[in-house]
Amino acid sequence: ELKVEQNPLFLSMQEGKNYTIYCNYSTTSDRLYWYRQDPGKSLESLFVLLSNGAVKQEGRLMASLDTKARLSTLHITAAVHDLSATYFCAVDMTSGSRLTFGEGTQLTVNP
Amino acid sequence: NAGVTQTPKFRVLKTGQSMTLLCAQDMNHEYMYWYRQDPGMGLRLIHYSVGEGTTAKGEVPDGYNVSRLKKQNFLLGLESAAPSQTSVYFCASSSLPQASNQPQHFGDGTRLSIL
Repeated sequence: ELKVEQNPLFLSMQEGKNYTIYCNYSTTSDRLYWYRQDPGKSLESLFVLLSNGAVKQEGRLMASLDTKARLSTLHITAAVHDLSATYFCAVDMTSGSRLTFGEGTQLTVNP
Repeated sequence: NAGVTQTPKFRVLKTGQSMTLLCAQDMNHEYMYWYRQDPGMGLRLIHYSVGEGTTAKGEVPDGYNVSRLKKQNFLLGLESAAPSQTSVYFCASSSLPQASNQPQHFGDGTRLSIL
């Protein structure tokens, strides 16, 4: 059974600070996705990571994938209030687009 | 530019009632999915479809049925609603696995309360 674990589950940080969200998964996979969800809203795709060593960056967010360690990280640089949201990682273990989601990390960026 | 559209957006049911949630996508995607989201548990896959006329069970299928009579539509049915089915339901769609650089696209959700 595939398990996907994120930590931390809750993160409160100050504007301008850096932090990393971790996503560990239990079964071999080389496809990992990061999504953002604002309260009461849908899920928005942030990154698609398809191979070991993949690194993608968009603005203040950077995601990486280490398939050997079964670990993905989402790094936040110089956080701003607009980044406040819940972030989910999701792993595809079936090569058939079935995703297993982590519990989500609720990020609050304080002024 | 609708993407994935879910109806209704909100619904309150009494225990034992039945209802159908509709999902429609206009991206010509082969794959469609139904998830439920509960506090602290992320999203869990209920059922999914890999093409018109096909359906398959996900992680939490009990108490739900689905149908995919047309490629663009995926229906989720609750046969006899129970309070444990109170949740937010999301529909998603995606292209073929070979095009896995594309993520799943999600609808806005249906907030369902069972009294």
